[in-house]
Order: sequence, then structure tokens, then C-alpha cells
Amino acid sequence: EPEVTQTPSHQVTQMGQEVILRCVPISNHLYFYWYRQILGQKVEFLVSFYNNEISEKSEIFDDQFSVERPDGSNFTLKIRSTKLEDSAMYFCASSGVTNRDRGASHYGYTFGSGTRLTVV
Amino acid sequence: EDQVTQSPEALRLQEGESSSLNCSYTVSGLRGLFWYRQDPGKGPEFLFTLYSAGEEKEKERLKATLTKKESFLHITAPKPEDSATYLCAVQHTGANSKLTFGKGITLSVRP
Repeated sequence: EPEVTQTPSHQVTQMGQEVILRCVPISNHLYFYWYRQILGQKVEFLVSFYNNEISEKSEIFDDQFSVERPDGSNFTLKIRSTKLEDSAMYFCASSGVTNRDRGASHYGYTFGSGTRLTVV
Repeated sequence: EDQVTQSPEALRLQEGESSSLNCSYTVSGLRGLFWYRQDPGKGPEFLFTLYSAGEEKEKERLKATLTKKESFLHITAPKPEDSATYLCAVQHTGANSKLTFGKGITLSVRP
């Protein structure tokens, strides 16, 4: 079954440093997302990306965050100057055009296994 | 604003003891309601999407149902390997709109 791949699985960084989290979405998907989950809390939406531009972002996604699709396969999340409160699991997700009419069970809204970011 | 409330927060079952997990939601035009399973330190693993009230989906010991205000995930004769956190999320209309998640229900099944 197709997977969303994230690297690294765990990143430790010092406060104020820049980090780049990487994702390879499912190849025929068109929509890409980043979510985060602080330990013990809900999964929260950060940003969605379609056709090489941001289509929606949350209040969390401030000027310290940026996303990029540098080539045909990768999708990255950059945090310019990390803070302690950025420590969380970051999940990449991708989804495709619905094939609901053909009886498929879902839109293919698939999550990766996450990158655990620890800011010290 | 879309809202999702899951109950109970935690559920402990004996192996074979069937039960249901509840997800109540409010959304401005439902495109889909999603159920995911999440194991500790892992990403959400897709289980089901439900699109309209009255719809039901089944997979092994799990069955998801949907009304206009809530969804249930029924677990029949659970096994210890069903222990996980079960997440409910809603997506409002729009092809690539975000998912809004509930806090999840942590299920523990004792042998």
C-alpha cells in the first residue's frame, strides 16, 4: 500500500536554530499537509498546499514557518528559529482527488509516521 | 468553527467485551468523517471515511456508523492488539480542506 515517508524520525535541535522536516507524499496525490501533535494533545492542522502554493494555514503557522515543494517528490516544512514550544510530533499528510463515485473507501488522506522534534 | 468531541477519554475492556466509542461533531457542511487508529509514537493510520448520515463501514472487528451529529466506532469481541488511541476527524466541504481532530479515545484491551 502506498505510504507517506517522513525523515528524520527524530530531530533534536537547539533553541533558535533552523530545522527542515522532509516528506515524500504518495506519488499521485495532489494535496499536501502538515499537522503537529504536542505530547498528550490533539492533532492540529498547520498548513495545506496545492498547485505549488499554500491554500490554507492555521494561526500556528506564523512567519517562522514555511513550506516548499522543491521538486516533484519532496515536501518540506521549515521552522526558521525554533522555540521550546515547537517541540512536538510533526506529521505530513497527502490526499488525492476523490474517487468516491467509484466506490472507494476514502479520499486517500494518508499520514506519515511523523518526525519527533525536540527543541532544547 | 468545526468541533469534534470524543468520549470516553479512555476505555478499558476485557478481551471479547464489545463496546462503542463516540464522536460528536459540528461542522459547516460535512465532506467526510474520518476514523484513524494511532499507536504510541506513530502517525494516524486510516480506518474509515463516512460521507453521509446512515452510512456504515466495516473492517474486521470494527464498524463505523454516522448520523447528522455523531459517529460511533463499534468494536466487536476486541483483542489485545486492538489497544490503541482511536481518533475521529471531520473535513468540511472543499477538496483539500483540513481535518479537525478530536482528542482521541485510548482503548486498552486486557487478555
